Amino acid sequence: GDSVTQMEGPVTLSEEAFLTINCTYTATGYPSLFWYVQYPGEGLQLLLKATKADDKGSNKGFEATYRKETTSFHLEKGSVQVSDSAVYFCALRGSNYQLIWGAGTKLIIKP
Amino acid sequence: ETGVTQSPTHLIKTRGQQVTLRCSSQSGHNTVSWYQQALGQGPQFFFQYYREEENGRGNFPPRFSGLQFPNYSSELNVNALELDDSALYLCASSPPTRGSYNDQFFGPGTRLLVL
Repeated sequence: GDSVTQMEGPVTLSEEAFLTINCTYTATGYPSLFWYVQYPGEGLQLLLKATKADDKGSNKGFEATYRKETTSFHLEKGSVQVSDSAVYFCALRGSNYQLIWGAGTKLIIKP
Repeated sequence: ETGVTQSPTHLIKTRGQQVTLRCSSQSGHNTVSWYQQALGQGPQFFFQYYREEENGRGNFPPRFSGLQFPNYSSELNVNALELDDSALYLCASSPPTRGSYNDQFFGPGTRLLVL
């Protein structure tokens, strides 16, 4: 069945460092791909999405490109801030419209 | 515009009891989905309701059930609680368009602890 694998955390970086959180997927067909963020004590928020191959989703300085050849959707940001500390989830939506989630990656940004 | 709300925020129950969790969808949304998020894991899909009909179900035992009301609010019911049911229960709503995807907007969740 469909699945999502993302890098284990926590990922600890200094402020202004470059961020990459890896995400790979297994799915039949052509799923849509998402990154969600969960700030401490809050619900899940959609960060960005891509619905077809080579699409790039972007929001709040974060980017991710849908790579069909490598079945990947890695999350990147050029310069992280302390306020980016959160748990990041990669997810896919398959043909049955259900969201399949990765386990989440905790990001800790130190000033 | 009011977002997705869930009640209660926290709940403690004992094994064997029954629990009902509630969700009010965002204004104008007619699709509701429920997820279970165990500690340190990603959410797992329970079921989705579209205009009061079940529109998909995950791999969970029948003691987990749900329903959607005419105002599109929803309930998740769990019978015969087990210790492993301790988790964060998330509700998400989507705006109308049947047969295609719309972004899901999540509530803050209900944290259930089963002792």
